[in-house]
Amino acid sequence: EPEVTQTPSHQVTQMGQEVILRCVPISNHLYFYWYRQILGQKVEFLVSFYNNEISEKSEIFDDQFSVERPDGSNFTLKIRSTKLEDSAMYFCASSETRHQPQHFGDGTRLSIL
Amino acid sequence: AQSVTQLGSHVSVSEGALVLLRCNYSSSVPPYLFWYVQYPNQGLQLLLKYTTGATLVKGINGFEAEFKKSETSFHLTKPSAHMSDAAEYFCAVRKGDDKIIFGKGTRLHILP
Repeated sequence: EPEVTQTPSHQVTQMGQEVILRCVPISNHLYFYWYRQILGQKVEFLVSFYNNEISEKSEIFDDQFSVERPDGSNFTLKIRSTKLEDSAMYFCASSETRHQPQHFGDGTRLSIL
Repeated sequence: AQSVTQLGSHVSVSEGALVLLRCNYSSSVPPYLFWYVQYPNQGLQLLLKYTTGATLVKGINGFEAEFKKSETSFHLTKPSAHMSDAAEYFCAVRKGDDKIIFGKGTRLHILP
């Protein structure tokens, strides 16, 4: 069964540095999402992306964050000038249409030192 | 605003016993409802979903959930727990827009 893949599985970065989290959505899916889960807290929506533009974003997704689909297969989340509180598990998801269920990757654990 | 409440951050059941994980939602319109499972060191896997139609929804691994509009509930059940069911379970809701709103999760422990 096709799946969403995320790399790396664990990323350690110094505070203030930029980090790029990578995702390969399921190939025939058109909608892409990023969520995060801070340790011990609930999974929170960050952003959704369709037709090469952001379709919805949460309050968390401020100017520090950006998303991009640089080619036909990858979907990236960039975090500029990382802060300690950015430490979390980041999940990528994709869906075939807006109303189909979202399929999640295994996540990237981001640790900011 | 939508929200999801999962009663009990930890639930323990004996192997072979009934599993019941509770979920209540608040939404001004009938939502799409989901249960996801997260095994250790893995991502979120869709267990089952309710969109429209039959209110009793069957999912993978023998789980099912019933949408009760009058109670705004979507509790997850399994008749007989198995050791491999130990995981964290998330109830979630979506109301037509893109984002999914997750509950805080319930960690299910299976006792031998």
